[in-house]
Amino acid sequence: DIQMTQSPASLSASLGETVTIECLASEDIYDILAWYQQKPGKSPQLLIYDASSLHTGVPSRFSGSGSGTQYSLKINSLQPEDFASYYCQNGLSAPNTFGAGTKLELK
Amino acid sequence: QVQLQQSGAELVKPGSSVKISCKASGYTFTSYDMHWIKQQPGNGLEWIGWIYPGNGNTKYNQKFNGKATLTADKSSSTAYMQLSSLTSEDSAVYFCARPLPGYNPNWFAYWGQGTLVTVSS
Repeated sequence: DIQMTQSPASLSASLGETVTIECLASEDIYDILAWYQQKPGKSPQLLIYDASSLHTGVPSRFSGSGSGTQYSLKINSLQPEDFASYYCQNGLSAPNTFGAGTKLELK
Repeated sequence: QVQLQQSGAELVKPGSSVKISCKASGYTFTSYDMHWIKQQPGNGLEWIGWIYPGNGNTKYNQKFNGKATLTADKSSSTAYMQLSSLTSEDSAVYFCARPLPGYNPNWFAYWGQGTLVTVSS
C-alpha cells in the first residue's frame, strides 16, 4: 500500500495568514493526489484533485502543487471558515490511502 | 442535485453484524461507483472499498476482506454495507461517497452525512 505522510499534524495560524500543509507519498504517485477539508461533525469536502486542479466552488485562495512523492496544499489569506482538518489522498492505486490529517486552528 | 442520504446511528453488540444504507438521488445510480470510508473518533480516513451498482462488481481494501460486504439495490438506488463480527475497533463513522464525474473515479466529490456505529455491550 502507498503510505501518505502528512505534516504538520496540527497548525496554529491567524486570520489573514498564509499556511502550507505537506504530504509525502511512499512512492511516486504521478500527481494523482487530492486534498479534502473536513469540519467537526461534517463530511469531508473535495478541495483539489490531480494535485493542482481546484474543485468547483472552492475559493481561489486554496492551491495545490507538487510532483513525484511530494505535494503541498497552500491556503492564502486565511478566513474564519478555513479552520478545519485537511487530508491528502492517494488516488493512484487501491487501496486509496489518506494522510493522517492536519488540524488547522485559530491562533 | 446529487444527494447521498445515510441511515441513522447504530448501537450494536460485540460479535453481531450491522447493515447501513446510503440512498442516492439526483443522478443515475447505476452509472457511478459507490465508495465507503471509515473514520474512527479523532482519527483519519480509511478507504473500505467500492461497488459498481450497474453490475454489482466490488473491490475491497484487503484489510476489510471478511469484515465489510458491499451490495446495491438498483430498484431503490440504495447502496449497503454490512459489517460483521463487530468489535470495538469497528466503532466509527462510516461514509458513503461518489466520485467526481469524468475524472479519476477515486476523487470523492459527493459524500453522505455519515453513520455512527458504536459497538458496545
